[in-house]
Amino acid sequence: EVQLVESGGGLVQPGGSLRLSCAASGFTFSAYAMHWVRQAPGKGLEFVSAINYNGGRTYYANSVKGRFTISRDNSKNTLYLQMGSLRAEDMAVFYCARESYDTSGKNDYWGQGTLVTVAS
Amino acid sequence: DIQMTQSPSSLSASVGDRVTITCRASQSIDSYLNWYQQKPGKAPKLLIDTASSLQSGVPSRFSGSRSGTDFTLTISTLQPEDFATYYCQQSYNTPRTFGQGTKVEIK
Repeated sequence: EVQLVESGGGLVQPGGSLRLSCAASGFTFSAYAMHWVRQAPGKGLEFVSAINYNGGRTYYANSVKGRFTISRDNSKNTLYLQMGSLRAEDMAVFYCARESYDTSGKNDYWGQGTLVTVAS
Repeated sequence: DIQMTQSPSSLSASVGDRVTITCRASQSIDSYLNWYQQKPGKAPKLLIDTASSLQSGVPSRFSGSRSGTDFTLTISTLQPEDFATYYCQQSYNTPRTFGQGTKVEIK
């Protein structure tokens, strides 16, 4: 069974840093591209970042470029999101999601999400 | 970035109604359009990919179609468990972009 479990969320002050993790199981993690998607309270879904299967290519939303870094450790089946210079508008539930192996580009499995609160 | 314009933002409907949600892309995305359902406090769930391909286990009352850059999600006969928020997403390129969402509420 495919499972994605996020962790690392919590309360952080504006300007602070936080690292999110996403532990994957039930599939060959090293074969799949992975995404981070966030959802601010009461708002819609927003793409944050993506990484290809081996970490050689990364993508970011303009809103987080230069502040967030996506990475992965295929030996640990874990996806990361290092977040810095956090702002109030970064407060959201952050989901990790698997990109399907086929050419559709869909996100076929999602974690349960981890809440990041940015407040002083 | 490709803009996805989804409408309506919300709708009220009754059990048994036919519901249609539309998503328009700002440029051609071929059929790289996916639909997700999200219930409160839960992660999104994939319903349809590549405009019209129903995911395994998703009821056949859900369907998707494409006309150029316009995409439609149809629920043929609304069931109580279908009250949720629906999002479209283009997967033609990265950054992926989502529609604003459509909240389907009980009339």
